Amino acid sequence: EDQVTQSPEALRLQEGESSSLNCSYTVSGLRGLFWYRQDPGKGPEFLFTLYSAGEEKEKERLKATLTKKESFLHITAPKPEDSATYLCAVQGAGKSTFGDGTTLTVKP
Amino acid sequence: DTEVTQTPKHLVMGMTNKKSLKCEQHMGHRAMYWYKQKAKKPPELMFVYSYEKLSINESVPSRFSPECPNSSLLNLHLHALQPEDSALYLCASSQGQFDGYEQYFGPGTRLTVT
Repeated sequence: EDQVTQSPEALRLQEGESSSLNCSYTVSGLRGLFWYRQDPGKGPEFLFTLYSAGEEKEKERLKATLTKKESFLHITAPKPEDSATYLCAVQGAGKSTFGDGTTLTVKP
Repeated sequence: DTEVTQTPKHLVMGMTNKKSLKCEQHMGHRAMYWYKQKAKKPPELMFVYSYEKLSINESVPSRFSPECPNSSLLNLHLHALQPEDSALYLCASSQGQFDGYEQYFGPGTRLTVT
């Protein structure tokens, strides 16, 4: 059975204080690892897909990396508008398994 | 355009009511999904449709009945729900069910069962 574990559960940062979120996974036949952002009461918003170890993708202050066992979402110089829950998901045999998410709060 | 629309935004229903949730996408995606999300929990997969055929049913109670009338539309028919079924119901679509395609989510329907 596919498993995804995200840490920490919650992260509080000061504006401009860089940090990383972790996603550890086990999956039979990785088809893709996904990062989503979810604001309260809204649907998840797609951020990145990573397919193979060593791959990296960037978007504004976010950078996602992938190894054979985990993925990191690096947040550089975050702003208050980056506050959200970040979800990691892996796709194995035809469906995606989500982690419990990391709730990020960025204080001005 | 990567928009998935869902109606209604909010729904309050009694335990004996019958209601339906609707989802629509115009991205030409061939896979569509229903998820249930409780507060502070990740989305929980309910159903997957691939090319308009039911591909996955995650042992969902029969009081939830999905329907895919065409490649752009997905419905979820609700009947005799329980208060514990109150949640945010999310629809999503992707280019395909396999091969690592990302999913695009709608805004959700907030369901309250009284």
